[in-house]
Amino acid sequence: NAGVMQNPRHLVRRRGQEARLRCSPMKGHSHVYWYRQLPEEGLKFMVYLQKENIIDESGMPKERFSAEFPKEGPSILRIQQVVRGDSAAYFCASSRLETPWETQYFGPGTRLLVL
Amino acid sequence: KNEVEQSPQNLTAQEGEFITINCSYSVGISALHWLQQHPGGGIVSLFMLSSGKKKHGRLIATINIQEKHSSLHITASHPRDSAVYICAVRPGGDKLIFGTGTRLQVFP
Repeated sequence: NAGVMQNPRHLVRRRGQEARLRCSPMKGHSHVYWYRQLPEEGLKFMVYLQKENIIDESGMPKERFSAEFPKEGPSILRIQQVVRGDSAAYFCASSRLETPWETQYFGPGTRLLVL
Repeated sequence: KNEVEQSPQNLTAQEGEFITINCSYSVGISALHWLQQHPGGGIVSLFMLSSGKKKHGRLIATINIQEKHSSLHITASHPRDSAVYICAVRPGGDKLIFGTGTRLQVFP
């Protein structure tokens, strides 16, 4: 049973370009969470999705950021018109259930560098 | 003030030492997680606690809900335990709130 997969592992973009980060949850998991880790800072919640639904996006910046988790395929975190401040590690986690006692399994992260 | 505070921020130890990392939080929670982040950046979930104590190998995690405090202990520490240890709480609902981590270095 493969773990949570994220790609690409490293992504370099110039200011103004778009970044697309993909997350494939563990088999059987229908809950996906995205977190951001800015340099020298702790992890911060961004968004929680179930298949075809955004459940909580309270941690997402209001502009340029969007997320989806389609019926088929991976979850996508999309950042439009990237700026230097978007440079960070973006982690995806998945869980089988939403209940508080369910462990979240983390992917290896995508490190985004904006030049 | 952060909702989740960890101490110490940095910790060095000699191989074999007993290590304790502390986590205090200021919100009501339904669960608390301890995570390990290795230098390469990958994150591994170590424990999920809602009460009492859990043990896995040389790692022990305890939580005191009344005092809003949890500890992670490592017995007989080893250089391969060197990592950042992160405490995260779940206030209810879906999101985790993270501490800023404790950077542990264990020297041979």
